[in-house]
Amino acid sequence: QKEVEQDPGPLSVPEGAIVSLNCTYSNSAFQYFMWYRQYSRKGPELLMYTYSSGNKEDGRFTAQVDKSSKYISLFIRDSQPSDSATYLCAGRRTGGTSYGKLTFGQGTILTVHP
Amino acid sequence: EAQVTQNPRYLITVTGKKLTVTCSQNMNHEYMSWYRQDPGLGLRQIYYSMNVEVTDKGDVPEGYKVSRKEKRNFPLILESPSPNQTSLYFCASTRQGAVGANVLTFGAGSRLTVL
Repeated sequence: QKEVEQDPGPLSVPEGAIVSLNCTYSNSAFQYFMWYRQYSRKGPELLMYTYSSGNKEDGRFTAQVDKSSKYISLFIRDSQPSDSATYLCAGRRTGGTSYGKLTFGQGTILTVHP
Repeated sequence: EAQVTQNPRYLITVTGKKLTVTCSQNMNHEYMSWYRQDPGLGLRQIYYSMNVEVTDKGDVPEGYKVSRKEKRNFPLILESPSPNQTSLYFCASTRQGAVGANVLTFGAGSRLTVL
């Protein structure tokens, strides 16, 4: 079983829709959770990260972590065609040799059509 | 511009022919890492380096070597490439610190095909 599981999609939504992207993880030691966005033929770039459980909002994006159920979510409000990309969730432990060791999900391909 | 630069971006080679993928960052980051990305498997870490002359294995190190002689450079070496190393490779870097480890800066990727 992969430590971070993510439905690869693809997911296609109309412009303006609310998008919900989800991951589950199995490693209880994960403390940081990240969402990266990857455009075609580009490297991933960080969207946002959260520490432990809770919500974090940044503009149209909201990240949620529920450690009790080991569930990670990313919500995109008022989705735009420019949001079309692959979205990667990741988890990380803290301390020691885990520094920088991100464990990624498979990525979800999102298309927002006009 | 702050960036991670990888070369070559695209490469087709044959089994057994040694190759090196270079990676350079201009942000004075201590930490650098190599990932490979395969369909259905996501990004998997190959090797990482906490600083100059300090390297360690990631999840899938077999068939790869790395070195970190300078802070800015972290080349990935395939001594004897095989077809199962056909993949999209990413180099990434970040600064030290608890939060810094979350904020990886990735290169644009190197697509390698081994025939």
